[in-house]
Amino acid sequence: NAGVTQTPKFQVLKTGQSMTLQCAQDMNHNSMYWYRQDPGMGLRLIYYSASEGTTDKGEVPNGYNVSRLNKREFSLRLESAAPSQTSVYFCASSLGQGGGGYTFGSGTRLTVV
Amino acid sequence: KNEVEQSPQNLTAQEGEFITINCSYSVGISALHWLQQHPGGGIVSLFMLSSGKKKHGRLIATINIQEKHSSLHITASHPRDSAVYICAVKIGNEKLTFGTGTRLTIIP
Repeated sequence: NAGVTQTPKFQVLKTGQSMTLQCAQDMNHNSMYWYRQDPGMGLRLIYYSASEGTTDKGEVPNGYNVSRLNKREFSLRLESAAPSQTSVYFCASSLGQGGGGYTFGSGTRLTVV
Repeated sequence: KNEVEQSPQNLTAQEGEFITINCSYSVGISALHWLQQHPGGGIVSLFMLSSGKKKHGRLIATINIQEKHSSLHITASHPRDSAVYICAVKIGNEKLTFGTGTRLTIIP
């Protein structure tokens, strides 16, 4: 099935540990995004990639890094996890350039203890 | 102040009722999106609007650009419509700004 595949679905980390969230899309979309969702707040953009080879900071980039490995894959890395990074993370993709809707992954529930 | 405001925050209704969820935004936009998030957490795109009205099944979305306002309507509501409905606007560039969502519960 076409869509956005995001792994893992759940993760518990200890403070200071690192991890990478993986995201892949098979819709030939140009743009990819990482969001976090916290209770009582709208989804907030962490980083995005308008096209292969480019990445830009979003609203809340501190503590995160990203890699647009190729057109399909966009990973999010937490180098030293902090309790404030406990959240649900969503990857999404779109055609970009103002075209089309967005397709979201199923989310990763991350808890940092 | 959030650039995107949704109302109500929570809505409980009986099965069969006509549902309206509102979204207001404060700046000029290039498009508005309505999304649905089910209790399992997945997010599905329902509509993308830049003007007028769109309909898909029992769902209708309208937008008034001059008034900076959009509504999502559900006709003949059903318990399976229970979800969080999220409004998001695209302001100029590719990035979306999201509302905090409306939690809808339909009681059988």
